[in-house]
Amino acid sequence: QVQLVQSGPEVKKPGASVKVSCKASGYDFSTYGISWVRQAPGQGLDWMGWIGVYDGHTDYAQNFQGRVTMTTDTSTTTAYMELRNLTSDDTAVYYCARDPNLYCSAGTCYPSGAFDYWGQGTLVTVSS
Amino acid sequence: QSALTQPDSVSGSPGQSITLSCTGSSSDVGSYNLVSWFQQHPGKGPKLMIYEVTKRPSGVSDRFSGSKSGNTASLTISGLQAEDEADYYCCSSGGRRSFVLFGGGTKLTVL
Repeated sequence: QVQLVQSGPEVKKPGASVKVSCKASGYDFSTYGISWVRQAPGQGLDWMGWIGVYDGHTDYAQNFQGRVTMTTDTSTTTAYMELRNLTSDDTAVYYCARDPNLYCSAGTCYPSGAFDYWGQGTLVTVSS
Repeated sequence: QSALTQPDSVSGSPGQSITLSCTGSSSDVGSYNLVSWFQQHPGKGPKLMIYEVTKRPSGVSDRFSGSKSGNTASLTISGLQAEDEADYYCCSSGGRRSFVLFGGGTKLTVL
């Protein structure tokens, strides 16, 4: 069955970086995209960006551009999200989610938002 | 890109039907049939309930249905049950503009 298993909780100091992993199994990793979504305590869902696993193309939300990097390792079917220069506002649960590539045009796929499987979430706490 | 607009809360009694709204713009909801809805119970991760405006993933009850008119999408839950009490988030893709927007979420209370 499809599973996305994320790395464990992290505690970081302000200014540090965090790298969260998302191990996929149960499906053809390369034929889907992976989005990252975060949720601050008591708040709503916030889309951070997307990576098209088959070609490594990335699209980042404006709020995170310049501070986030999303990558994948197809040999281990693992996706990664690195967020740099952390502040207390980055304290949140970070989710990876599978995107079924529902919208593709001229050979390029784009994030569709139809996230059908989610990781269990990784709590990142930023505190001095 | 601004977040999609959802009412903060909605309530209904068991057996009733309720409709949750989600308002975007001509750049997202109005341009593409790429609206999704997610259910989230406290302390749990989101669950996909509707995608591509009207489609239900396998295993989702047919009490849940989606629609769209112009820049506003809607999620209707019929035959309301206690287990439907949760937060609901709408989501829209911007297509080739390569972004995804979430609404702020609606808390559904079953009275």
